[in-house]
Amino acid sequence: NAGVTQTPKFQVLKTGQSMTLQCAQDMNHNSMYWYRQDPGMGLRLIYYSASEGTTDKGEVPNGYNVSRLNKREFSLRLESAAPSQTSVYFCASMIRDGSYNEQFFGPGTRLTVL
Amino acid sequence: GNSVTQMEGPVTLSEEAFLTINCTYTATGYPSLFWYVQYPGEGLQLLLKATKADDKGSNKGFEATYRKETTSFHLEKGSVQVSDSAVYFCALSDVGGTSYGKLTFGQGTILTVHP
Repeated sequence: NAGVTQTPKFQVLKTGQSMTLQCAQDMNHNSMYWYRQDPGMGLRLIYYSASEGTTDKGEVPNGYNVSRLNKREFSLRLESAAPSQTSVYFCASMIRDGSYNEQFFGPGTRLTVL
Repeated sequence: GNSVTQMEGPVTLSEEAFLTINCTYTATGYPSLFWYVQYPGEGLQLLLKATKADDKGSNKGFEATYRKETTSFHLEKGSVQVSDSAVYFCALSDVGGTSYGKLTFGQGTILTVHP
């Protein structure tokens, strides 16, 4: 099992450009999450998908959109990138059965917006 | 809303020193508590967890006890190694209902261990 995979690993954009960050998991998990990590601020939830076919906003959704393409894949789109979106982005997944469950994280995408 | 506060860092120790990283939380109900670790250039991985008051989570020599009366979940290790150098995150998750397992993280504590 590859676990949670993310592409690309690194990306540099110019202000106003768009891009999609890809995430896939092969653990048959039903919930998936997108976080951003900024120095001194820990990880903050951008969007999540509790199950296939549903998506909801997290703490910092402005400037982002998501698509839960199927049970395996959950993409994050920046329609018009801004320097404030320079960050490291992590995707995570979890099987949710009503009790405590561990989230599994991908290796991250380091995004720089110039 | 939920929040997690970790001790200010970074923390620098010599090998075999005792480690404590403080973590306190604010939450409604009875959250589950976690410590995640991030090694350089990698994603986060679960270090240990506790799901109810007075539970002690432990792994790789690290321990943390869920203290509801002080709303704390401090991470400890008796003798750190150079390989423990990483960023440590305290986190909480509401269980059940409409929480959908969302995690709230502390700001992270950078630990550097010197030989």
